[in-house]
Amino acid sequence: QSALTQPASVSGSPGQSITISCTGTSTDVGGYNYVSWYQQYPGKAPKLIIYHVTDRPSGISNRFSGSKSGNTASLTISGLQAEDEADYYCSSYTSISTLYTFGAGTKVTVL
Amino acid sequence: QVQLQESGPGLVEPSETLSLNCTVSSDSILYYYWNWIRQSPGRGLEWIGYFYSGSTNYNPFLKSRVTMSLDTSKNQFSLRLTSVSAADTAVYYCARAPGWRDAFDIWGQGTVVTVSS
Repeated sequence: QSALTQPASVSGSPGQSITISCTGTSTDVGGYNYVSWYQQYPGKAPKLIIYHVTDRPSGISNRFSGSKSGNTASLTISGLQAEDEADYYCSSYTSISTLYTFGAGTKVTVL
Repeated sequence: QVQLQESGPGLVEPSETLSLNCTVSSDSILYYYWNWIRQSPGRGLEWIGYFYSGSTNYNPFLKSRVTMSLDTSKNQFSLRLTSVSAADTAVYYCARAPGWRDAFDIWGQGTVVTVSS
């Protein structure tokens, strides 16, 4: 069982904005700014799209943005496109146990 | 752009040792944290551990069975997982992190490992 809680699925129409939440505790998400988000297509490796809560790697669209409030981090995808249909995982450094912890993933469907 | 490529047997018998290599396509293998991460339907994404500059840090739930090492002459880092069981069946990824606690910015394509007799 994953330490970070994400909704199993989120959907939206093209052009809309959607937000995926990632809830942890003060020992991970709430205590540190080491939250990251990954996009994964079926059969492919995860791809980093957000790190340090809000930063985007070079080449990642600015339609992807991250934020955090308390123990919950969020990924917002604005101007939803068909190519955004994928699984999204959050991850955080954790000060207890495993160093890194992941969410179970959220399947994004573009209607 | 740095690329990572996992290699190793796709089938391992129960109680045996799983051994994987990750080849790094650059000369900067000394300056990053090199991680192994696995993914399975039942356990999701699971961090296994990292090797950095001669030191290691392992997931405490796997620590007794994991060994990681670096071969700079081959630009490879490796994973050994002993006494495997069906629960170790997963896609295994190698991944780079620029610093301690940092996100995994580059991933290998992954290799499927099945534990079965």
